[in-house]
Amino acid sequence: EAQVTQNPRYLITVTGKKLTVTCSQNMNHEYMSWYRQDPGLGLRQIYYSMNVEVTDKGDVPEGYKVSRKEKRNFPLILESPSPNQTSLYFCASSSWTSGVGDTQYFGPGTRLTVL
Amino acid sequence: GDSVTQMEGPVTLSEEAFLTINCTYTATGYPSLFWYVQYPGEGLQLLLKATKADDKGSNKGFEATYRKETTSFHLEKGSVQVSDSAVYFCALSDPLSTLTFGKGTMLLVSP
Repeated sequence: EAQVTQNPRYLITVTGKKLTVTCSQNMNHEYMSWYRQDPGLGLRQIYYSMNVEVTDKGDVPEGYKVSRKEKRNFPLILESPSPNQTSLYFCASSSWTSGVGDTQYFGPGTRLTVL
Repeated sequence: GDSVTQMEGPVTLSEEAFLTINCTYTATGYPSLFWYVQYPGEGLQLLLKATKADDKGSNKGFEATYRKETTSFHLEKGSVQVSDSAVYFCALSDPLSTLTFGKGTMLLVSP
């Protein structure tokens, strides 16, 4: 089954404790992206990646890191989480066809609480 | 930069009522337009899309037409069901496939 998986689905942590949220897709997609969803703000892009070893900042990259060492995986790293990073996070992937809007497939989400 | 504006919710309807959720956009190029739906506790999934002016996207009884002259992509359904209760997001995609979302509109359908 074609899917995007994220782990963990729920995480409660404390300020300053490094954490990683994993994202994996089995559709051989070139493009992957991370979003955060906050009430009243909709979804905002954190980082995206066009392909292996190619990443770029989205609208709200501060406090986050990403890496793309393999095509299927795109982990989101919070080196020193803070309470304002409490949010619902989504990973997404799509195939890359230049000049055409491709459908993005979303993971189920990770609800993160930073105390 | 690109932006998407959609009507604020919640939109509250009775079953079998007609639904319209307005969406307008600002973009410098010729984006593709999407409606995504998020059911409670789930991720987003594509509802429908249109890639060029005058295209109509449709799925599950929902439809939306890409109107370049009014920069709009309004979502409609002739007869909503309780199971349509969800949050609906309008979005546009630039040539780099970066999605810009509206803030979402919650739809609540009562029996």
